[in-house]
Amino acid sequence: EDKVVQSPLSLVVHEGDTVTLNCSYEVTNFRSLLWYKQEKKAPTFLFMLTSSGIEKKSGRLSSILDKKELFSILNITATQTGDSAVYLCAVASGTYKYIFGTGTRLKVLA
Amino acid sequence: GAGVSQSPSNKVTEKGKDVELRCDPISGHTALYWYRQSLGQGLEFLIYFQGNSAPDKSGLPSDRFSAERTGGSVSTLTIQRTQQEDSAVYLCASSLGVLGGPREQYFGPGTRLTVT
Repeated sequence: EDKVVQSPLSLVVHEGDTVTLNCSYEVTNFRSLLWYKQEKKAPTFLFMLTSSGIEKKSGRLSSILDKKELFSILNITATQTGDSAVYLCAVASGTYKYIFGTGTRLKVLA
Repeated sequence: GAGVSQSPSNKVTEKGKDVELRCDPISGHTALYWYRQSLGQGLEFLIYFQGNSAPDKSGLPSDRFSAERTGGSVSTLTIQRTQQEDSAVYLCASSLGVLGGPREQYFGPGTRLTVT
């Protein structure tokens, strides 16, 4: 059965800290891996990764995929209170299916 | 441009009643998904529409759940004879067509359904 596992489940840090969120997967017919930020209800798209070893970067956020070891990490540097959210990892399988992990809840304290 | 919209934002209903949830996707997005998110859980796939093709209903948890998409745009998710375990946030997402592989999804704000 396809599965996506995220760790840690939750994390509390102080502003300025750097965090690393993990996503491992076992999915048939892997196409891509996506990261979303969910603050209230609607997840917002962060990154889509299809190739191993190529880092995607947006401001203080970056992500990389390892297709050999079947995992991805999301790094957030110099965290701010506005980074507090649930971070979701999803794997696109086949033509259109997405399998989501349960998310990592990040809380950044001032 | 306008994003994905959903209505209502919150719905409280009594057990046994029927509910209808609405999703208006981004204009031009041919793919539309419904997901359910229970408290502290990931997103559970419910149903997928792509253009005029037959939908993938494999994620619908029971025959009390149904969905339609009219004219390739607006979609409604109907839950008949609601049960307390149906309480969750129902999220709709749309994306450009899947030609060439999956694309990033854009999510609506969700409908929080509470069955009392």
